[in-house]
Order: sequence, then C-alpha cells, then structure tokens
Amino acid sequence: EAQVTQNPRYLITVTGKKLTVTCSQNMNHEYMSWYRQDPGLGLRQIYYSMNVEVTDKGDVPEGYKVSRKEKRNFPLILESPSPNQTSLYFCASSSGQVTYQETQYFGPGTRLLVL
Amino acid sequence: SQQGEEDPQALSIQEGENATMNCSYKTSINNLQWYRQNSGRGLVHLILIRSNEREKHSGRLRVTLDTSKKSSSLLITASRAADTASYFCATAPGGYQKVTFGTGTKLQVIP
Repeated sequence: EAQVTQNPRYLITVTGKKLTVTCSQNMNHEYMSWYRQDPGLGLRQIYYSMNVEVTDKGDVPEGYKVSRKEKRNFPLILESPSPNQTSLYFCASSSGQVTYQETQYFGPGTRLLVL
Repeated sequence: SQQGEEDPQALSIQEGENATMNCSYKTSINNLQWYRQNSGRGLVHLILIRSNEREKHSGRLRVTLDTSKKSSSLLITASRAADTASYFCATAPGGYQKVTFGTGTKLQVIP
C-alpha cells in the first residue's frame, strides 16, 4: 500500500531535549516536505527536499533541521525543542516538482507537546 | 503571512445543500490545489487546477480559478454528512518549490 508514515504519532517531551520525528514514503517520491499545523494558522511549511541531499527552507524553518540521505526518508530534527514548537506535524511527499502538476500525499501526523 | 486565505472560516449547512468556499492568494502561481482534512488527520488531495485553467470538475466538486483576482473557489454540490471536514487551498508560486496553505474553511454538514 502506497503511504507516508511518521513516527512517533504522539510525543511529549521537555524543553531542550533533542528529538527526531521520522518520515518515510514507499512511493519512490522525489519531493518531501514537513509542515506544522497550528489553530488559526493553517499549515506552514518548515522544510522541503527536492531529492537526496537537496533541502531548502520553507516559511518557518527556525528551530528545525532536516536531512535527506535516502530517497525514502526525511527526518525532522528538533535540536533544542521549546514550548512554541508544540504543534501537529505533517510529512508529505510527491512524485515530482510540486510547482507543477504534482499532488502531495500526507502522513497521519505527529502531535508534539513540549513542556 | 499566509499566501492563501480561505473564507469563510467556518460554514454550516444542511445535507443536500451546496457549499462554497473561497481562497485568495497573493503571488503568481503555477497551480492551485484543494485538500480536505478530517479532524486532525492527514490532508487528502481533492483537485488541482492549473494557472491556465478557469474551471475544473471532479465528481461533486467544482473548482474555479480567477488569476486576475488571485482567487479560487471550491463548490461541493449536494453535500453529505461525510463532507464534514476542513478544506484548504494550497499554492506554489511560480518557479519555486515552496508550498503555502491557507488557514482553511471548516465545513459542517448537518444530516
């Protein structure tokens, strides 16, 4: 089954404790992206990757890191989480350039609470 | 600031009625997409309209795009209770791979 998976689905952590949220897709997609969703703000793009070893900032990259060492995986790293990073996070992938006719497939989301 | 802004923010209708939601954006685009989200779950792609298209249909969905006004509308005809969800538009400005989502319209369809 074609899908985007994220782990963990729920995470409670404390300020400053490094964490990684994993994202994996089995569709051989080139483009992958991370979003955060906050009430009243919709989805905001954090980082995206157009292919292995090619990443770029979205609209809200501060406090986050990403890497793309393999085509299928795109982990999101919070080196020193803060309470303002409490949010619902989504990973997404698409088969080509999203500026053109490619749609994105979303993972189920990771709900993060930073105390 | 958000590239896409939907209105209304919330919409409540009776089953069988039509639902219309609008999206405005700020910069030129290659395409505009509409997504649906059921209560905190992942988004599901509904329909994509290219910048050189004015109208597109998919089942009970009808999307229009007016690039001169930088706006799009999504019409759901003969709504069903299962259409209850939040709807988002997403745009990718020409030449860039960034994607911007609007703040969404929360639709409630009352049986």
